[in-house]
Amino acid sequence: DIQMTQSPSSLSASVGDRVTITCRASQGIRDYLAWYQQKPGKVPKLLIYAASTLESGVPSRFSGSGSGTDFTLTISSLQPEDVATYYCQNYNSAPPTVFTFGPGTKVDIK
Amino acid sequence: QVTLKESGPVLVKPTETLTLTCTVSGFSLSKTGMGVSWVRQPPGKALEWLAHIFSNDEKSYSTSLKSSLTISKDTSKSQVVLTMTNMDPVDTATYYCARITETVLDDYYYYGMDVWGQGTTVTVSS
Repeated sequence: DIQMTQSPSSLSASVGDRVTITCRASQGIRDYLAWYQQKPGKVPKLLIYAASTLESGVPSRFSGSGSGTDFTLTISSLQPEDVATYYCQNYNSAPPTVFTFGPGTKVDIK
Repeated sequence: QVTLKESGPVLVKPTETLTLTCTVSGFSLSKTGMGVSWVRQPPGKALEWLAHIFSNDEKSYSTSLKSSLTISKDTSKSQVVLTMTNMDPVDTATYYCARITETVLDDYYYYGMDVWGQGTTVTVSS
């Protein structure tokens, strides 16, 4: 199975800061990657799929990039409502489709 | 409006079998490009994908839990059922079902879990 790692595991930043989270796959996964946001006590929310395609309704301060093994989620200007844990998720291209979540990155406000 | 709702026991005993039901509305389980996944989250820990079933009845399971999981769907009832055998206290978690939507871009297939249920908390204890 493909293993996903994320760094950092947690970060603290000021409102307005640019925040970058990294996700790495143990082998090349093209752009088969999604990002999810889970606010404290809430249900996960899809932010980005296909590594860089923003889900409808997601603020444009969120962006994703990368292909192969290295991916990033960027919040261009951190807002108080962005306090959450962010997970990357991989899936393989051929059936049966197997999904794998990364360990998560917790983001809070300094 | 698309909604998913999980139901099942709050408490199960070790070695028992857990049966969870996800009832969906606002979309059909037979619609091409749609599927439902089960994901769990132990208290204070990360999300863990368990299984999914697609509209074409393709099923897939987490490698580490494959031997204990079974997923099925009843399209007429708009329900997806997950069973997990031989429950253990480490299986204590919030269990979510989520809709998977397939998007085709440049002949490649991409997936996202775009709508989630509220989750159901399951405790495994004697």
